[in-house]
Amino acid sequence: NAGVTQTPKFQVLKTGQSMTLQCAQDMNHNSMYWYRQDPGMGLRLIYYSASEGTTDKGEVPNGYNVSRLNKREFSLRLESAAPSQTSVYFCASSEPRRGNGELFFGEGSRLTVL
Amino acid sequence: EDKVVQSPLSLVVHEGDTVTLNCSYEVTNFRSLLWYKQEKKAPTFLFMLTSSGIEKKSGRLSSILDKKELFSILNITATQTGDSAIYLCAARSANSGTYKYIFGTGTRLKVLA
Repeated sequence: NAGVTQTPKFQVLKTGQSMTLQCAQDMNHNSMYWYRQDPGMGLRLIYYSASEGTTDKGEVPNGYNVSRLNKREFSLRLESAAPSQTSVYFCASSEPRRGNGELFFGEGSRLTVL
Repeated sequence: EDKVVQSPLSLVVHEGDTVTLNCSYEVTNFRSLLWYKQEKKAPTFLFMLTSSGIEKKSGRLSSILDKKELFSILNITATQTGDSAIYLCAARSANSGTYKYIFGTGTRLKVLA
């Protein structure tokens, strides 16, 4: 079972470069989420999507854009990377109305901006 | 603004000790409280709590929710070195059918042999 798959796992960027983090889930979940994790900060919600075609801002959306391409895929784009965006990014999905509403996480993408 | 606060931020204990981790929340349209354990990579699910006063148990771990006082605790008895991890709690809220999960900063637990 693949679950939630994120790519790339590691990326180094220079300030001002752009990149897209890809996320796909195969659990037929409606809801998908992007978080960033910094030391001592826990997981902070960047954007989320309740269903295909909808997206909402989370706690720290500035500097990011997202696309919910279809039910399976939810991408996170950095248009002009800044050192403050150095972090570990996690994609997650859930189906809140089914089961216990558990969030399932990808393995994470470690991004360094120089 | 939705907020989840965990305490302590870090904790060092010896094997065999019992620990209690705290999570308080102020979240609009609260639905449930989740606990996760994070070792090297992605967080792994431990518990979801929806009702006050009902303890959930899994082996040496247990958790309970108090919706009146807006907090939850996670207990780990007879700790082992394998319990060393970051423990995260998250409050799940719902608004017009849209669910979001707000996490606390986590408690970093280190268990010494």
